[in-house]
Amino acid sequence: DADVTQTPRNRITKTGKRIMLECSQTKGHDRMYWYRQDPGLGLRLIYYSFDVKDINKGEISDGYSVSRQAQAKFSLSLESAIPNQTALYFCATSRPGKETQYFGPGTRLLVL
Amino acid sequence: GNSVTQMEGPVTLSEEAFLTINCTYTATGYPSLFWYVQYPGEGLQLLLKATKADDKGSNKGFEATYRKETTSFHLEKGSVQVSDSAVYFCALIVSGGYQKVTFGTGTKLQVIP
Repeated sequence: DADVTQTPRNRITKTGKRIMLECSQTKGHDRMYWYRQDPGLGLRLIYYSFDVKDINKGEISDGYSVSRQAQAKFSLSLESAIPNQTALYFCATSRPGKETQYFGPGTRLLVL
Repeated sequence: GNSVTQMEGPVTLSEEAFLTINCTYTATGYPSLFWYVQYPGEGLQLLLKATKADDKGSNKGFEATYRKETTSFHLEKGSVQVSDSAVYFCALIVSGGYQKVTFGTGTKLQVIP
């Protein structure tokens, strides 16, 4: 079984719609992250959370919001989707003091 | 700030060829360096890492040496296989405070039989 799961794996939506991407982990890690991947740009950090009560903006948080419902769950919302949010989105986890991050399989989002 | 520069791809090699993917970095402080690999349809996974100068990380036949004097962490493999076809990301993290990972843009490797 995968340690970090993401749902949905693929999503097509229209401009202006609100959507939520979900991430769950069974690794017991406190830290969770949301990234987006765009061709030629690598991975860019959207939001990160050190624990349930600690949520922080990353380098490209505009247009996104997050919710840390539990240690194991971290959701990313697009309040009003726009076409330039079309990307591959990854959730990741890590342990405090440990540098390795563990990634989910990704959600491919297309905004029309 | 911190940054990672990788050679642009795609890189196409025949099976059993020698692989080098270049990676250089700039960082404030003393970073740890990583190579992550992304196989088709999957998330990134750690391939290898090195935490201090002159360390060599290795895994699955891949190697990279932390070169502080040239600020480089080039990925090498002596004989690639078709199953090595993937996107490879060089990354760094500077310890202390929030440990933000800085990723390179990725290099796609295609190995043909």
